[in-house]
Amino acid sequence: KAGVTQTPRYLIKTRGQQVTLSCSPISGHRSVSWYQQTPGQGLQFLFEYFSETQRNKGNFPGRFSGRQFSNSRSEMNVSTLELGDSALYLCASSRWTSGSETQYFGPGTRLLVL
Amino acid sequence: GENVEQHPSTLSVQEGDSAVIKCTYSDSASNYFPWYKQELGKGPQLIIDIRSNVGEKKDQRIAVTLNKTAKHFSLHITETQPEDSAVYFCAGLYSGGGADGLTFGKGTHLIIQP
Repeated sequence: KAGVTQTPRYLIKTRGQQVTLSCSPISGHRSVSWYQQTPGQGLQFLFEYFSETQRNKGNFPGRFSGRQFSNSRSEMNVSTLELGDSALYLCASSRWTSGSETQYFGPGTRLLVL
Repeated sequence: GENVEQHPSTLSVQEGDSAVIKCTYSDSASNYFPWYKQELGKGPQLIIDIRSNVGEKKDQRIAVTLNKTAKHFSLHITETQPEDSAVYFCAGLYSGGGADGLTFGKGTHLIIQP
């Protein structure tokens, strides 16, 4: 069974731009969670989608948003990019809404904001 | 919200010896504790997890113990091998406040000395 895939793998943007990242979950998984990983803050939960609905949200500003499609694929968008948004963005999928369901991570999208 | 502390930040052991990584959590309502291994350039890979109704779980050379009273859990790796070198993250599930995502420790860089 194919794992979680994320595109693109690397991205360079400039301050003020916006960016869209994509995640395809494991086949049959309906929940997608997004995390931000930085050297200073570590791994932080952004939000989770299940059946096209945002179920949970972490403590990030409204510039960070996402959506999920009927095939469970998910996108996250960051508007008005800041230098501090440079990070590895990780997507994780699970069968049901994340909770004690095992989450499987993709390889991540590395975003550099200049 | 949940806070997960992880120690040590770096651990160097001789090949064949055992390695122990410890984590503490703050939210007594947390009930799910996974451990992830992250290699350079890759996303976190689940290696073992434990739920709050179990005190210990083992999978070959890897074991996890959970002490709910003290709110701490530990990862034990026996007979360490060079391929065990990586960054290890513990996590706890924070339930409540609309942020039902995993809260991660800061990570432990495990170095296996040949």
